[in-house]
Amino acid sequence: GENVEQHPSTLSVQEGDSAVIKCTYSDSASNYFPWYKQELGKGPQLIIDIRSNVGEKKDQRIAVTLNKTAKHFSLHITETQPEDSAVYFCAASPLYGTDKLIFGTGTRLQVFP
Amino acid sequence: DAGVIQSPRHEVTEMGQEVTLRCKPISGHDYLFWYRQTMMRGLELLIYFNNNVPIDDSGMPEDRFSAKMPNASFSTLKIQPSEPRDSAVYFCASSPQGLKEKLFFGSGTQLSVL
Repeated sequence: GENVEQHPSTLSVQEGDSAVIKCTYSDSASNYFPWYKQELGKGPQLIIDIRSNVGEKKDQRIAVTLNKTAKHFSLHITETQPEDSAVYFCAASPLYGTDKLIFGTGTRLQVFP
Repeated sequence: DAGVIQSPRHEVTEMGQEVTLRCKPISGHDYLFWYRQTMMRGLELLIYFNNNVPIDDSGMPEDRFSAKMPNASFSTLKIQPSEPRDSAVYFCASSPQGLKEKLFFGSGTQLSVL
């Protein structure tokens, strides 16, 4: 089945710097890759997603890139702000099988003012 | 819309007791998911429903766990009997179009089994 690895587990940056979180997946048939942000005491919230027919997607300060050959995808946050501090999860959805979303283990991002 | 509503927010119980977690999905969403979050295993899908029908319960850890969706606006996840290893945050999520679209998560129920 699908396996998603996420790195790093923690990331500290200075306000205004960029942050990059990377994920790799094992099932080459996976075709949907969302990113969720979880703030303390809340449920995860979708911030951006990408499908296997595109290589990059941007939404203001957030971008996601996908490399299907290498089976990895990354989240890029530019001009980080303290409110970006949260736990970020990547996920992958296999094309076939039980149609589950397999989540990575999460990255705790801290943005220091 | 108020979003996905879960209750209770916190539940503390003793081993062997029955626990019932509740969820009200967003109106009009045909899919409902129950997830469990722990430090060791991360976010795991337990079960999901489409139009009130259970589609995949392969993530339910044991027969002690059961889930129902009697109508489009209500679902329960029951653990009977509860064990300390069931301690986790349980999330309910809903979606208008399934797993390959945006999931809307509730705020979760923090369960502690002593």
